[in-house]
Amino acid sequence: GAVVSQHPSRVICKSGTSVKIECRSLDFQATTMFWYRQFPKQSLMLMATSNEGSKATYEQGVEKDKFLINHASLTLSTLTVTSAHPEDSSFYICSATGSGGAGYEQYFGPGTRLTVT
Amino acid sequence: AQSVSQHNHHVILSEAASLELGCNYSYGGTVNLFWYVQYPGQHLQLLLKYFSGDPLVKGIKGFEAEFIKSKFSFNLRKPSVQWSDTAEYFCAVNRKTGANNLFFGTGTRLTVIP
Repeated sequence: GAVVSQHPSRVICKSGTSVKIECRSLDFQATTMFWYRQFPKQSLMLMATSNEGSKATYEQGVEKDKFLINHASLTLSTLTVTSAHPEDSSFYICSATGSGGAGYEQYFGPGTRLTVT
Repeated sequence: AQSVSQHNHHVILSEAASLELGCNYSYGGTVNLFWYVQYPGQHLQLLLKYFSGDPLVKGIKGFEAEFIKSKFSFNLRKPSVQWSDTAEYFCAVNRKTGANNLFFGTGTRLTVIP
């Protein structure tokens, strides 16, 4: 089946620094990738949707200048948390879909736990 | 706006008991429906999905779900749970047309006691 990887799985950074999280589709071409944030004991909240080669579409309330998303190739999307603060500590999950249009299955990465000290 | 409700936050069952997890959604248009499972320490995996046709869909590991359009529901069922079913279960929907981003419910934690 389709596999999505994320790197790193865990990262600890100091307040004010930037952190980059990678999301890769290992055995398929991901035309669309999604970035979610999951708070403890809560559901996944969609942050943004990115299509290869175009700018990401951010959900309401998500700061695009703080959460930079790049989808430069059909197998890689990156999320950079800029000037991280402790409140950015969370579990970040990406997913990818290989076809356009609604309803196609999303394949999820294992997530990245970010801790900002 | 779309929303997905999962009424059970934590369900505790003994092995061999039957399971039913509720999911209701709110959306004016037609949707696709999904159940995902997240085992401890693992990533989200698709259990089953409904796009169209027979409203009773069967998924992996003996799970099934029934789409009841009049009730805007998509409840997950399993006749006999196992200890290995202990996990977090998420219901999700997306629109049939336009952007296919998923809207998730808050999740239900299932604990199966051996």
